[in-house]
Amino acid sequence: KNEVEQSPQNLTAQEGEFITINCSYSVGISALHWLQQHPGGGIVSLFMLSSGKKKHGRLIATINIQEKHSSLHITASHPRDSAVYICAVDTGTYKYIFGTGTRLKVLA
Amino acid sequence: KAGVTQTPRYLIKTRGQQVTLSCSPISGHRSVSWYQQTPGQGLQFLFEYFSETQRNKGNFPGRFSGRQFSNSRSEMNVSTLELGDSALYLCASSFSGVGTDTQYFGPGTRLTVL
Repeated sequence: KNEVEQSPQNLTAQEGEFITINCSYSVGISALHWLQQHPGGGIVSLFMLSSGKKKHGRLIATINIQEKHSSLHITASHPRDSAVYICAVDTGTYKYIFGTGTRLKVLA
Repeated sequence: KAGVTQTPRYLIKTRGQQVTLSCSPISGHRSVSWYQQTPGQGLQFLFEYFSETQRNKGNFPGRFSGRQFSNSRSEMNVSTLELGDSALYLCASSFSGVGTDTQYFGPGTRLTVL
């Protein structure tokens, strides 16, 4: 079993839909990161979470440390949100463990 | 402010050769980390450097090595290339290191081993 699990692996949504991507982990962490990777490979760091909830525009990320679970929500999804979303945890030792990623496609 | 740059962007090598990839971090950033991305294994952490010191490394064979210079620029080297080393190699930089602040990723170097 992977130490960081993401679901779903693939997701297709219609423009405007509310989207949720989940990440569960089995190791102790210092923080959890959500990354976005567009076709072509460029990766952008979206959020770094150690507790609670963060919001940036239409993106919301939450983490429940006790349940070892995080969610990334996209409100009013748009085709430009189409990308791979990757959850990464750091264990406090300057090292990431990555989830397998969720490939999101938003249709116009 | 210029972003993270990686050179070269594309590289084709044959089995048994060695390769050196370069990463220039954002000005002022002292941490550089390296990652390998393949369709089968996804993203995997290779190593992290801070002020010329390697602070952690991932589960890769000794053929994979790296270093960081006093100007924070970093190189990674893969010796005796194998077909399975074909991948996108990404580096990222930050002020204080992996897990402590936002990582800024470079565009990657796509390595093909024939």
